[in-house]
Amino acid sequence: DGGITQSPKYLFRKEGQNVTLSCEQNLNHDAMYWYRQDPGQGLRLIYYSQIVNDFQKGDIAEGYSVSREKKESFPLTVTSAQKNPTAFYLCASKTGFGQPQHFGDGTRLSIL
Amino acid sequence: AQKITQTQPGMFVQEKEAVTLDCTYDTSDQSYGLFWYKQPSSGEMIFLIYQGSYDEQNATEGRYSLNFQKARKSANLVISASQLGDSAMYFCAMSRGAGGTSYGKLTFGQGTILTVHP
Repeated sequence: DGGITQSPKYLFRKEGQNVTLSCEQNLNHDAMYWYRQDPGQGLRLIYYSQIVNDFQKGDIAEGYSVSREKKESFPLTVTSAQKNPTAFYLCASKTGFGQPQHFGDGTRLSIL
Repeated sequence: AQKITQTQPGMFVQEKEAVTLDCTYDTSDQSYGLFWYKQPSSGEMIFLIYQGSYDEQNATEGRYSLNFQKARKSANLVISASQLGDSAMYFCAMSRGAGGTSYGKLTFGQGTILTVHP
């Protein structure tokens, strides 16, 4: 079945450590997105990519980095510069105007 | 800039009754899209319904309908015949219609927690 796979489901980060969240899709979608969700809040856009080898900053990109070397993969690195990384991270992809974004099941990141 | 406002932090409804979740938006764009997503306690985001700004008829998907009032900039979600499984967080979101690097990005509201009572 086609879909978006995020891994791991839970991730723990030590102070000063970089961690990478994986997002893979087999939907053949061109555009991919990373969102952050804090408890009881809506989603905020971190980074997005519309084509391979190109990506743009979203509203809260500081302390995060991404790459898009393959169409199906869009990993997010939470760097040590992100001082408050504890949150729920959701990856999404879409194709075509007016089409909805499809989401993965998310990764919960916590600080040890 | 786009903004979505959901003024109901929580809503309660009796099973089998209808419920309306409010959403107002602000944008200077002529072309935009409006979306509703459901987020159960497990965390995944489930797409429910979409309305384009130029669509003249209100969108419907099964028990979900979107009450689109363009002049009032509102896009309320109506759930008919509520079921216990409808208990979840509901998010309204919008995208810019076309052009530029903003294509496809979603701006989300704060969400409304819906609880369905038996």
